[in-house]
Amino acid sequence: EVQLVESGGGLVQPGGSLRLSCAASGFTFSSYWMSWVRQAPGKGLEWVANIKQDGSEKYYVDSVKGRFTISRDNAKNSLYLQMNSLRAEDTAVYYCASDDSSGYSHYWGQGTLVTVSS
Amino acid sequence: DIQMTQSPSTLSASVGDRVTITCRASQSISSWLAWYQQKPGKAPKLLIYKASSLESGVPSRFSGSGSGTEFTLTISSLQPDDFATYYCQQYNSYFRTFGQGTKVEIK
Repeated sequence: EVQLVESGGGLVQPGGSLRLSCAASGFTFSSYWMSWVRQAPGKGLEWVANIKQDGSEKYYVDSVKGRFTISRDNAKNSLYLQMNSLRAEDTAVYYCASDDSSGYSHYWGQGTLVTVSS
Repeated sequence: DIQMTQSPSTLSASVGDRVTITCRASQSISSWLAWYQQKPGKAPKLLIYKASSLESGVPSRFSGSGSGTEFTLTISSLQPDDFATYYCQQYNSYFRTFGQGTKVEIK
């Protein structure tokens, strides 16, 4: 059974940093692109970033470029999102997702809540 | 970036109704479109990929069509479990984008 479990969310002050993790199991993690998608309270889904199987390609939505870094550790079956210079508008539930080879997000974690507030 | 526009934003319908949701892309995305269902407090669930391919385990009352810039998700006979929010997503570009969502409410 495919499982994606996010962790690392919490309350952080504006300008602060947070590192999200996503632990994957039940599939060959190193064979799949992975994505982070977020959802602000009461709002729709927003794709944040994705990363190729070997980490050699990474893409970001404009609003997080230069502040967020996606990475992965295939030996640990883990995906990460380092979030720096956090803003109130980054407040959201962050989901990790495994992507099919063609690009859609097949499996999703349950999400972790990040709240940016003073 | 490719913009995705869904309509309507909200849809009121009754059990048994045929429901259609439209998603338009700002440029051609071929058939690289997925549809997801999301219920409150839950993660999105994949329904349709490559515009018209039904994900395993998804009821056959769900269907997708379209290519290029215009796509539709149809629920042939709305069931109580189908009241949820639906999102389209393009994956023609590495920079994925979602539509703003369509909430299907009980009439």
